[in-house]
Amino acid sequence: DAGVTQSPTHLIKTRGQHVTLRCSPISGHKSVSWYQQVLGQGPQFIFQYYEKEERGRGNFPDRFSARQFPNYSSELNVNALLLGDSALYLCASSLVSLTDGEKLFFGSGTQLSVL
Amino acid sequence: AQSVSQHNHHVILSEAASLELGCNYSYGGTVNLFWYVQYPGQHLQLLLKYFSGDPLVKGIKGFEAEFIKSKFSFNLRKPSVQWSDTAEYFCAVRGYNKLIFGAGTRLAVHP
Repeated sequence: DAGVTQSPTHLIKTRGQHVTLRCSPISGHKSVSWYQQVLGQGPQFIFQYYEKEERGRGNFPDRFSARQFPNYSSELNVNALLLGDSALYLCASSLVSLTDGEKLFFGSGTQLSVL
Repeated sequence: AQSVSQHNHHVILSEAASLELGCNYSYGGTVNLFWYVQYPGQHLQLLLKYFSGDPLVKGIKGFEAEFIKSKFSFNLRKPSVQWSDTAEYFCAVRGYNKLIFGAGTRLAVHP
């Protein structure tokens, strides 16, 4: 079975541009979460979607947005890119919303570099 | 707000040495705790988890962790490390619909 897949694996953008990152969850998983991992730090929560609805949002500016599609795949969009947005963006999926007993499965991430 | 602290940012060991990585969390209620590992060039993988029951949790690859509620700790241990354990280790606590991660500990094991 395929794990969580993310595309692209690497991306280079310039300041002010926008970017769209994509994620396909493990088959049967209905929840997708997005995390940002800056070099030297642990992953920071951005969004969680379950059944196409936003169920959680981290402390990120409105330039960050996401959505989940009927097939449970997801996109993360970042507008007006800043140098500080350079990071590894991780997608994680779980069967249901992250309640007691649930665990996350992570993809390999998209490495975004903003120049 | 919930938070996770990992005390050691970098650890260097020789093969066969024992390992203990510290993790403390701030939340005082019912906790779900996790250790994830990130091998070089690979995705985050779950090493072990604690939801309830026996506070000594055994995970994959010979790792274990002990939940000590009175100390708000969930330290990761391995009696004898191998070169292949070289990786970054993250402790995490479940928040509302999210995981809250520590800053991570980079472990380097020398042959």
